[in-house]
Amino acid sequence: GIQVEQSPPDLILQEGANSTLRCNFSDSVNNLQWFHQNPWGQLINLFYIPSGTKQNGRLSATTVATERYSLLYISSSQTTDSGVYFCAVPGGSGYSTLTFGKGTMLLVSP
Amino acid sequence: ETGVTQTPRHLVMGMTNKKSLKCEQHLGHNAMYWYKQSAKKPLELMFVYSLEERVENNSVPSRFSPECPNSSHLFLHLHTLQPEDSALYLCASSQDPLAREQYFGPGTRLTVT
Repeated sequence: GIQVEQSPPDLILQEGANSTLRCNFSDSVNNLQWFHQNPWGQLINLFYIPSGTKQNGRLSATTVATERYSLLYISSSQTTDSGVYFCAVPGGSGYSTLTFGKGTMLLVSP
Repeated sequence: ETGVTQTPRHLVMGMTNKKSLKCEQHLGHNAMYWYKQSAKKPLELMFVYSLEERVENNSVPSRFSPECPNSSHLFLHLHTLQPEDSALYLCASSQDPLAREQYFGPGTRLTVT
């Protein structure tokens, strides 16, 4: 099945810093999602981005499908950005499966 | 709020108990999913339902029994669980089962004692 690798696994930032999270995938995909999981476990949809670039406030994402990677940019980070960031792509054992990476755990300190 | 709700949010049960997790989506979607998230592991898909029919079962033990009475509701019935079943159980929905954009509920944190 498709493999999804995220880097870095852990990241500590000072409030106000910028960061880039990376998601590599092993096969062609026709969609990709980025999620933020808050400390209480809720997965929040950040981007649905099969290709190209999207921006939402301080966050933006770029997927280069031909090179099998996606980047999530966080600018001017805030403590509320802390949590785990996952990317997910279709693939795995069935057509309706989303395969998740292991996530990047982000801690933003004041 | 993602439009997907789950109850209860926390559950502690003994190995001989029977309990059920409930999920409801208010998005008008046709597909619903159960995922399991264990510590230090990626999310694992357990079940997929499309228009109330189960379309995928990722070799989940029979002590987990899903039920989808209509396209808005999804249950996960639990019986004779093991301590290693302790995890966060997440429900999700999408407009169709072709793994398009999925929306997740807040999860039920289950502890099996």
